[in-house]
This record gives sequence, structure tokens and C-alpha cells, in this order.
Amino acid sequence: DAGVIQSPRHEVTEMGQEVTLRCKPISGHDYLFWYRQTMMRGLELLIYFNNNVPIDDSGMPEDRFSAKMPNASFSTLKIQPSEPRDSAVYFCASSFNGDPRRRQYFGPGTRLTVT
Amino acid sequence: QQQVKQSPQSLIVQKGGISIINCAYENTAFDYFPWYQQFPGKGPALLIAIRPDVSEKKEGRFTISFNKSAKQFSLHIMDSQPGDSATYFCAASNNNDMRFGAGTRLTVKP
Repeated sequence: DAGVIQSPRHEVTEMGQEVTLRCKPISGHDYLFWYRQTMMRGLELLIYFNNNVPIDDSGMPEDRFSAKMPNASFSTLKIQPSEPRDSAVYFCASSFNGDPRRRQYFGPGTRLTVT
Repeated sequence: QQQVKQSPQSLIVQKGGISIINCAYENTAFDYFPWYQQFPGKGPALLIAIRPDVSEKKEGRFTISFNKSAKQFSLHIMDSQPGDSATYFCAASNNNDMRFGAGTRLTVKP
């Protein structure tokens, strides 16, 4: 398996623009997580899905952020409009229920820079 | 709200020394405590984990010590090597909801 795939790996955009980050989880995994990593706040859970249904979005910073999972093999995280303080590395991770180690497999991340 | 508090923020250890990273949690519903290791430019990866019914878990040079009454747990890296230089995250989980600590950047000097 190729692991969790994220695209793009790097994104530079101007303040006010819409940004869409993409994630393909590992086949067979039924949980998908979106995290944001910054030096100041560490690794923050934004939202997670189970069987394509959002379970907890309490970590989403504000209404500018939205996430969807239209099917088991694809998810998006959208920021509209983007702001400089959104600059961070965004990770997607997946796992499957029944794994006794509850192991989350992380993608390589998308480094977002908003100027 | 930070549900898992981790310290120190950074740590420098000489090769062969012991690295110790500490974490504390509040929510007693957490029932699984993993540690993740992250190298620059990569996503975090599971290193070792423990459940609260044991006080210690050892895998090679890595050991987790767990104190349920104090709601604290720690990672010990014995005989630290330069290749261990990375950022380490503790986490606490309840079912599939996992909360991470802020991370510790470990540097092992040769």
C-alpha cells in the first residue's frame, strides 16, 4: 500500500484566496483525521470522520474551515478565505477500527504558506 | 484546550545518555497512551504505546512508565543515539479520539 497520500505537498497562496487540501487514506481504513501542526500550538486535531461521517469537528478553528469526505477514499480540507495565521503543516491520518494499537498512519503533510 | 501536557519542549542529550520526556493528562476516560516519533519533513509515526492496566512497557531501548493515580506517563530512551534525534509526541486516546501533547524536540549529540 502507498500509505496515506496528501496533495499538494506545498501550497503558497495569498491572503483571501481559497485553499483546498486533499487526502487519500489507506484502503480499508474507516477513520480519517485532519491535524494542523505549528511551532506554537503543536499538533492539533481539527476534525475526524468515521465511515465518511464527521464525528468531531470541535477543533476546527472557525467557519472559514470546512472538511468533507464524499467517499471512503477521499477527503478535503478547505480554507476560505485563507489568512496568514493559517500557515502551518496540515496532516491527514487514517486508522481502522479493530486495530488494538489504534495506530494512526500519517501522510507526509501539506505545508501551507499564506502571504 | 490542551488535554495532554508535555514537557520539556526541547531536550539535548549526549550520545549514550538517557532521554526522558514527561506527559500528564486530565481526562480519566483516556484508556490508551501512545508515543509518536516525527522526523523532519515526515508525518508522525507510532513508536510505542501502553494501556493503563500496566505500569511499564519496554520495547528495545524505549520504555514507557505509567502512573495511573498521578495521571502521568513518561518515555525513557536508553542509550540515546544521534538517529533518535526527532520530535516526540505523547498522546492519549479514548476509542479513536486521540489528543496529542505539544511535542518535544530531542537532539542527541554525538
